[in-house]
Amino acid sequence: GENVEQHPSTLSVQEGDSAVIKCTYSDSASNYFPWYKQELGKRPQLIIDIRSNVGEKKDQRIAVTLNKTAKHFSLHITETQPEDSAVYFCAASGSNDYKLSFGAGTTVTVRA
Amino acid sequence: SAVISQKPSRDICQRGTSLTIQCQVDSQVTMMFWYRQQPGQSLTLIATANQGSEATYESGFVIDKFPISRPNLTFSTLTVSNMSPEDSSIYLCSVGGTGNQPQHFGDGTRLSIL
Repeated sequence: GENVEQHPSTLSVQEGDSAVIKCTYSDSASNYFPWYKQELGKRPQLIIDIRSNVGEKKDQRIAVTLNKTAKHFSLHITETQPEDSAVYFCAASGSNDYKLSFGAGTTVTVRA
Repeated sequence: SAVISQKPSRDICQRGTSLTIQCQVDSQVTMMFWYRQQPGQSLTLIATANQGSEATYESGFVIDKFPISRPNLTFSTLTVSNMSPEDSSIYLCSVGGTGNQPQHFGDGTRLSIL
């Protein structure tokens, strides 16, 4: 099955700086890569996703890049704010079953 | 996106008992999934709840321990059977995933086993 690795496990950044989280996946058939943000005690919320026919997608301060050849994708958060502090999960799925395989998560702390 | 309601939101149970978690969606959805999130960990897929047929379980999860029902396109239940402290987790349902629809999660059920 799909194996998704996520790094780093924790990330501390100064408010206003950028944060980058990287994930690699094992199954070359995977074609959908969402990112979820989970605040303490809350549900995981989709913040951005990308499909394999696109190399980059941006939504305001958040962007995701995908390198299919290397089988890795990254989340970029610019101009970080204290409300960006949360656990971020990457995931991957194929087109046949839509099942998501999650990375281990990254705890992001934005220092004021 | 669909509104997903899970009940109960939390429970404390005695070992050896069973608990059924409900997931209700405000619109018909093809795919429903059940995940487990152990304390401080990531999400692990338990099974895909198939409407009108038996659920499809992932490696490490069996029907006797986690029976699932999906009577229609808006509702599913997950039962955690014969619970032990190792079953203490958050259990989440999610919907979506087909076509261009992303998966969205319910609020989860926080389960503690004494």
